[in-house]
This record gives sequence, structure tokens and C-alpha cells, in this order.
Amino acid sequence: DAGVTQSPTHLIKTRGQQVTLRCSPKSGHDTVSWYQQALGQGPQFIFQYYEEEERQRGNFPDRFSGHQFPNYSSELNVNALLLGDSALYLCASSSVRQNYGYTFGSGTRLTVV
Amino acid sequence: KQEVTQIPAALSVPEGENLVLNCSFTDSAIYNLQWFRQDPGKGLTSLLLIQSSQREQTSGRLNASLDKSSGRSTLYIAASQPGDSATYLCAVPPGGGADGLTFGKGTHLIIQP
Repeated sequence: DAGVTQSPTHLIKTRGQQVTLRCSPKSGHDTVSWYQQALGQGPQFIFQYYEEEERQRGNFPDRFSGHQFPNYSSELNVNALLLGDSALYLCASSSVRQNYGYTFGSGTRLTVV
Repeated sequence: KQEVTQIPAALSVPEGENLVLNCSFTDSAIYNLQWFRQDPGKGLTSLLLIQSSQREQTSGRLNASLDKSSGRSTLYIAASQPGDSATYLCAVPPGGGADGLTFGKGTHLIIQP
């Protein structure tokens, strides 16, 4: 049973550019959440998607946007990249029918130069 | 706003010791609490999920307890091994459980051979 898969694993971008990260949820899960983790910190909640709509959003600017597709996979888009956006981006999936236990992917390491 | 604190921030012990990691949260209206393990530069691996109606969960050498009224959870690791070296994170979803997780900063654990 495949868990959560994220792509790419590593990415280097220049300030001002745009980036798209991708996530496929665990089989049977219908909800996808995105987190940003800076070095030495716990993950910070960006937003959550369910039924192709953004359900909740953390304290992140509008430069961060997302999408969920009919097959439950998701994308995270970040526009106008800043040096401070450099972090590990984690995708987590869950199911309302499985008591909200979260399964995380291995993450995408984004470096902005 | 939910806040999660983990103590200690770092811990280094000889192999074979039993140890306790602590997690506290400010809002006791949680749906569940989840403990994760994170290896350097990697994603999160779920260790234990405790529902709000439960007091503890066990998996192998790991035991996690939950006291909602006092806003505390502990992760007990028995007979520690060098392979247990990692950062341990606890996380809670606020309110109804459908929202993003709030994480502590983690406990960085080193088990000395």
C-alpha cells in the first residue's frame, strides 16, 4: 500500500520565481494538508483541501495557493519566492472516516537563492 | 490559539535506558493527539495516535499517554536503542479534528551506543 508520495524531492529556485509541488495521498484518504518546516522548527500548517476546496488556512500569505484534483492529489504553488520560503514542504493525507490520523510524505526540500 | 510545547528540547542517553518525552498543549478541546518521528531531512513517520476518549496507546517499546484535563501527553520509550535516535514531535488538531495540526518544536533524541 503506497503511502503519501511527493515530488520533486529537492528543488532550487531563484528569488521571484514560482514553484509547484505535488502530492499524491495515501490510498483511501480524501483530505490533503500542506505544511512548511523550517530548520529546527516543527511543521507549520499552510492549508488543507477536501472535496477540491480549501477548508482551512494557516497564517500564510496569498502567495501560497493550492489545488486538489478529483483523484484527491494536490499541488502547492508558491509565487514570488522569497529567501525565507526555503524550507521542507510536507504533504499529509487523512480521511474523515479514519479518525483524522495523518500520514506524511517524505517532503520536498525547497531552496531559494 | 493552540500552543504545543515539548520538553526536553534535546536528550542524549546511553543505550538501554527507559525515557520519557513530554508534550503539553494549551487548549484541551482536542480530538486526538499524534506522536511522530522525524529522521534528519526526512518526512514524518506516525508512531502513535491517541483518540480523546483514550488514555494511552502502545506499539512495541513505545507507550503514549494522554491527559486532556491537564493538557499533557507523554511518550515512553523502553529499552532505548541507537536506532531510536531522531526528533520526536507531538501534534494536535484543534476543535473538531478536521483542521490542521499544531506541532511542538520536537525533542531531539540521541541514543549513545
